[in-house]
Amino acid sequence: QSVLTQPPSASGTPGQRVTISCSGSSSNIGSNTVNWYQQLPGTAPKLLIYSNNQRPSGVPDRFSGSKSGTSASLAISGLQSEDEADYYCAAWDDSLNGHWVFGGGTKLTVL
Amino acid sequence: QVQLQESGPGLVKPSETLSLTCTVSGGSISSYYWSWIRQPAGKGLEWIGRIYTSGSTNYNPSLKSRVTMSVDTSKNQFSLKLSSVTAADTAVYYCARDRYGYTDIWGQGTMVTVSS
Repeated sequence: QSVLTQPPSASGTPGQRVTISCSGSSSNIGSNTVNWYQQLPGTAPKLLIYSNNQRPSGVPDRFSGSKSGTSASLAISGLQSEDEADYYCAAWDDSLNGHWVFGGGTKLTVL
Repeated sequence: QVQLQESGPGLVKPSETLSLTCTVSGGSISSYYWSWIRQPAGKGLEWIGRIYTSGSTNYNPSLKSRVTMSVDTSKNQFSLKLSSVTAADTAVYYCARDRYGYTDIWGQGTMVTVSS
């Protein structure tokens, strides 16, 4: 059971906009910033969004993040077939001396 | 460009200690936190812990009793030891750089199987 809650799956057709939610608590998302990772099949996770809404160099602006209270969202606009992947949210949790917590992951299917 | 490479045995017997090393190339290991994260087949990511180059650590509370991390700045390496392993510890293990609130660089991962 993951500390952060994500829907297990999401889907969309090419060109559509999809959102993935991530729900936490006051000790993690409510107190700290949220990061998002994209994991393509058979590869290591890649940082997609950091500090709630910042994109690392090279990440298309089709990807955006937001946070409100104890929840966060990842939005992907202009969906492309290569966006089919697993997406994970993560946040620092201040409890128990501090530790990173992840969401369970959302598998995005491009129909 | 900083790159990370995990190394260590791919097979560990139950009740023994899993030992992995991550080598940092293309940059200095100093002044960052360095994390270990694992992923069982078909499942999500689980953070194991992190170490700063001073030796300060944070561990996943659920694994804390079995985890030890160390860092060797002279070799640009950091290491993970996980004791008393069971089949539930079978996973791909990733090392990663933990930078000011986010983990930005990941190794390619190494598969570790716990089996007799």
